[in-house]
Amino acid sequence: AQSVTQPDIHITVSEGASLELRCNYSYGATPYLFWYVQSPGQGLQLLLKYFSGDTLVQGIKGFEAEFKRSQSSFNLRKPSVHWSDAAEYFCAVGLPGTYKYIFGTGTRLKVLA
Amino acid sequence: SQTIHQWPATLVQPVGSPLSLECTVEGTSNPNLYWYRQAAGRGLQLLFYSVGIGQISSEVPQNLSASRPQDRQFILSSKKLLLSDSGFYLCAWSVGVGPYNEQFFGPGTRLTVL
Repeated sequence: AQSVTQPDIHITVSEGASLELRCNYSYGATPYLFWYVQSPGQGLQLLLKYFSGDTLVQGIKGFEAEFKRSQSSFNLRKPSVHWSDAAEYFCAVGLPGTYKYIFGTGTRLKVLA
Repeated sequence: SQTIHQWPATLVQPVGSPLSLECTVEGTSNPNLYWYRQAAGRGLQLLFYSVGIGQISSEVPQNLSASRPQDRQFILSSKKLLLSDSGFYLCAWSVGVGPYNEQFFGPGTRLTVL
């Protein structure tokens, strides 16, 4: 069955430190991959997406993600975290040939001043 | 530009009462529409999606139903709420065939069933 795993429920980093949020998916082929961010009590905003081509994709707010087919992973990174990055981050896959998306359980990021 | 509205923003309802949550999209035509429920620590669960007026696909058997009476209107309903229906409900839209386009999310409705 298709699934998305975000193994880290909570992550705490200091402001200015680097960040990596992990995402692994289970699917028979390469799905469409997304990272979204959700501020408390709000909807989700797209950070970046991957469909094909260059496996390193750039997004908004200084985020990037790398697709690794061999590891079925799509990890999100940021070289220097800002306090305003504190939020919940969701990895999602879109299933080709359908209208459906599957979301991971999310990683809540806390940023220490 | 496109905008998505959801209301109400918060709702507190007793067990056994009915429910109606509304979502409307502006600035686009023929959107794919989605209802998700977000429970703490469980991510987003797809409840329903619709690719056209009157076309509803249900993903999870449950106490809820959805309707799409107009192209840009999506309604989530229940005849009798259960405690387990509490959660944060998100409406989203996308365009095109297949999920290669991003979804745009509404601000959500916080539902508490007491």
